[in-house]
Amino acid sequence: KAGVTQTPRYLIKTRGQQVTLSCSPISGHRSVSWYQQTPGQGLQFLFEYFSETQRNKGNFPGRFSGRQFSNSRSEMNVSTLELGDSALYLCASSFRQGVGDNEQFFGPGTRLTVL
Amino acid sequence: AQKITQTQPGMFVQEKEAVTLDCTYDTSDPSYGLFWYKQPSSGEMIFLIYQGSYDQQNATEGRYSLNFQKARKSANLVISASQLGDSAMYFCAMREGLSDTGNQFYFGTGTSLTVIP
Repeated sequence: KAGVTQTPRYLIKTRGQQVTLSCSPISGHRSVSWYQQTPGQGLQFLFEYFSETQRNKGNFPGRFSGRQFSNSRSEMNVSTLELGDSALYLCASSFRQGVGDNEQFFGPGTRLTVL
Repeated sequence: AQKITQTQPGMFVQEKEAVTLDCTYDTSDPSYGLFWYKQPSSGEMIFLIYQGSYDQQNATEGRYSLNFQKARKSANLVISASQLGDSAMYFCAMREGLSDTGNQFYFGTGTSLTVIP
């Protein structure tokens, strides 16, 4: 079974631009979560989608948005990029919600650099 | 308050020795799950082991075991017989609540493990 895939793997943008990152979850997984990872802040939760609905949102400004399609693929968008948005963006999928052994499977990440 | 605390920014261990990575958590929810992930320099997060709040026994997965002390709210990862390939960042994470609360994971700041030949 193929793992979580993220595209693109690397991205360089300039301040003020916008960017769209894509995530394809493991087949059959309906939950997709996004995280931002930086050396200073560590792993921070952005949002989670389940069956095309945003179920949870972290403490990020409205410049960060996302959506999920009917095939569970997800995109996140960052508008008006700032230097501080430079980070590794990780996508994770899981089969269902619930406390059980419902681990998240992570993709390789998209490394975004804002110049 | 931090949901997950990892107090060891960096650890060193001799190859073939065992090492314990510390993790404490904070929650008032009786239902939660604890996870450990490994992140090599390549960046991908790799799931290692899971412990549910109602599990009576400590979880084990091959060379990984989780020392779960519920009263102390600690969930330390033990790696036995360390290998050079174990050198990586290790993250402790928690998911709290029931299914309708979504799937947010709280991560610690990580511990960088270096295995010395």
